[in-house]
Amino acid sequence: ILNVEQSPQSLHVQEGDSTNFTCSFPSSNFYALHWYRWETAKSPEALFVMTLNGDEKKKGRISATLNTKEGYSYLYIKGSQPEDSATYLCAFPSTGNQFYFGTGTSLTVIP
Amino acid sequence: DSGVTQTPKHLITATGQRVTLRCSPRSGDLSVYWYQQSLDQGLQFLIQYYNGEERAKGNILERFSAQQFPDLHSELNLSSLELGDSALYFCASSVGGQDGGETQYFGPGTRLLVL
Repeated sequence: ILNVEQSPQSLHVQEGDSTNFTCSFPSSNFYALHWYRWETAKSPEALFVMTLNGDEKKKGRISATLNTKEGYSYLYIKGSQPEDSATYLCAFPSTGNQFYFGTGTSLTVIP
Repeated sequence: DSGVTQTPKHLITATGQRVTLRCSPRSGDLSVYWYQQSLDQGLQFLIQYYNGEERAKGNILERFSAQQFPDLHSELNLSSLELGDSALYFCASSVGGQDGGETQYFGPGTRLLVL
């Protein structure tokens, strides 16, 4: 069983603030790292797939960086909006294609 | 709407029973993944099928089995159900799936309650 950790567990920010959170994963045998956004009562929605050859990924106000040597990825949200409130999950596929999910960072953006 | 469909949405059954959850992937996707989310745990990977063949296996109990049919839809069979099997079961699909670098699209989930 691989250890995928996310921090912080939860975060409350004011509308307009920028924020970031972390996903830590085993630095050996890296192939990819997935980021998902999961709103309450919905299903996880893919944000990014970070791969070895990839640069920073960006989707609107959300971006992600990757450091495979030290085993972490950051997700940044610029100018947070209430609609960004969700749980952000990362997932790490092992060499056997088994996916290990972190427990998520719950983001609440206060209007 | 991701294009992945799951039926039923909700299922209530008794301990010891058997149920079948169904998943239809997005058109053109060859891989189907099954996940379980229990109350006290995060998302747990159960199993992946790629073009009809089992591709990867996670923490799937022996009482659980899955298959992917020639039309690429998949079924997850849960038998001898226990209270602890109550959970939200998601299926996801991806275009390929021979490696772990493909975007997965999640269905709406099936909520199973075992009484």
